[in-house]
Amino acid sequence: QITLKESGPTLVKPTQTLTLTCTFSGFSLTTSAVAVGWIRQPPGKALEWLALIFWDDDKRYSPSLKSRLTLTKDTSKNQVVLTMTNMDPVDTATYYCAQYTSGWSFDYWGQGTLVTVSS
Amino acid sequence: QSALTQPASVSGSPGQSITISCTGTSSDVGSYNLVSWYQQHPGKAPKLMIYEVSKRPSGVSNRFSGSKSGNTASLTISGLQAEDEADYYCCSYAGSSPNWVFGGGTKLTVL
Repeated sequence: QITLKESGPTLVKPTQTLTLTCTFSGFSLTTSAVAVGWIRQPPGKALEWLALIFWDDDKRYSPSLKSRLTLTKDTSKNQVVLTMTNMDPVDTATYYCAQYTSGWSFDYWGQGTLVTVSS
Repeated sequence: QSALTQPASVSGSPGQSITISCTGTSSDVGSYNLVSWYQQHPGKAPKLMIYEVSKRPSGVSNRFSGSKSGNTASLTISGLQAEDEADYYCCSYAGSSPNWVFGGGTKLTVL
């Protein structure tokens, strides 16, 4: 059974750095063609792809956010960490992590975590 | 890169069929057979319904089908059921940068 769960702060102040952790089970990020991605969804709005990290440590970032995003993985802990710098109220959203496989799709999703940016 | 274009809303009666379109460009939908569709019920995480344009994951009803023509992908739901009422998002691989782009979402109402 594949599960993913996001964890991190629910409230951050403007200009602060957000650190979110995706802890997963049921698959390994050392398996070829497997990746973990991050997608966010502002309240009442659409999904937005943020970043993706592959089993071989190849990393992809949304061009519009690339300067603010960093992905790392800890395969021994089955975790992927996303950091986003210089947070702004427009970054208020539910942040999801999801497993990405050779089907070129986000197959399994975490429950999401709502992050509010406010002073 | 702009989001893929979907109708804001569609509706249908139980038992009917509906189709949701997803229009991109020659850089994303038109270039790759890598369109996926996600169903999202209120307050829930998205669920994969279709991948690689027309393939269904195990466990997804065969009432859901996908297709593509040119720069437009489509999701068709036949035999509408009340439980199908949800938001639907398309997503396409878009090459080197950006890599993945989502649609703006379509709210399906079952009348």
